[in-house]
Amino acid sequence: DTGVSQDPRHKITKRGQNVTFRCDPISEHNRLYWYRQTLGQGPEFLTYFQNEAQLEKSRLLSDRFSAERPKGSFSTLEIQRTEQGDSAMYLCASSLVGTGGGGYTFGSGTRLTVV
Amino acid sequence: AQTVTQSQPEMSVQEAETVTLSCTYDTSENNYYLFWYKQPPSRQMILVIRQEAYKQQNATENRFSVNFQKAAKSFSLKISDSQLGDTAMYFCAFIYNNNDMRFGAGTRLTVKP
Repeated sequence: DTGVSQDPRHKITKRGQNVTFRCDPISEHNRLYWYRQTLGQGPEFLTYFQNEAQLEKSRLLSDRFSAERPKGSFSTLEIQRTEQGDSAMYLCASSLVGTGGGGYTFGSGTRLTVV
Repeated sequence: AQTVTQSQPEMSVQEAETVTLSCTYDTSENNYYLFWYKQPPSRQMILVIRQEAYKQQNATENRFSVNFQKAAKSFSLKISDSQLGDTAMYFCAFIYNNNDMRFGAGTRLTVKP
């Protein structure tokens, strides 16, 4: 297993366009998390899945943000009608349920720039 | 509310010396976990060290150790014999009851040759 993979590493988009990011977690991990990290700040929680169920989505930043994990494996995060304020690093992490004390394994992130 | 505060935005240390990064947190929970993550420039977050709140003994991982003061809600990271590769952002984080992990704003550490 090569860890948590995120694709793409970088995305430049024009304001108003839709973007989609993909995350492949560690295969045996059943929890998957999405975070946003802006420059000079710590990661900010967005949403998480346990298997295919999205257990928390109230902290997605707006209704322009949505996430899926259709088969309980990889996940996608979509931002519709992007705004300049959406420019940030989007991080994905995974863990095994019940092992939160072991910490999360993070991917390298997708850096979004909205121009 | 569960919050994590890192009061040192930036720190620097000479190679081979020791540096301590500070972290405080706020929670009413009794059982939780604390972490320090390292984020090198343009690279992924890596777990450095973890501490279980119900353990009084401070965690140690090679050159990295913590000073966990539960009553004071303090969780500092000590890096001994600093190396150039330790240059990175360091984030203190907190988790309880399988909820989402909360992070501080980070401390940018620079190790100078």
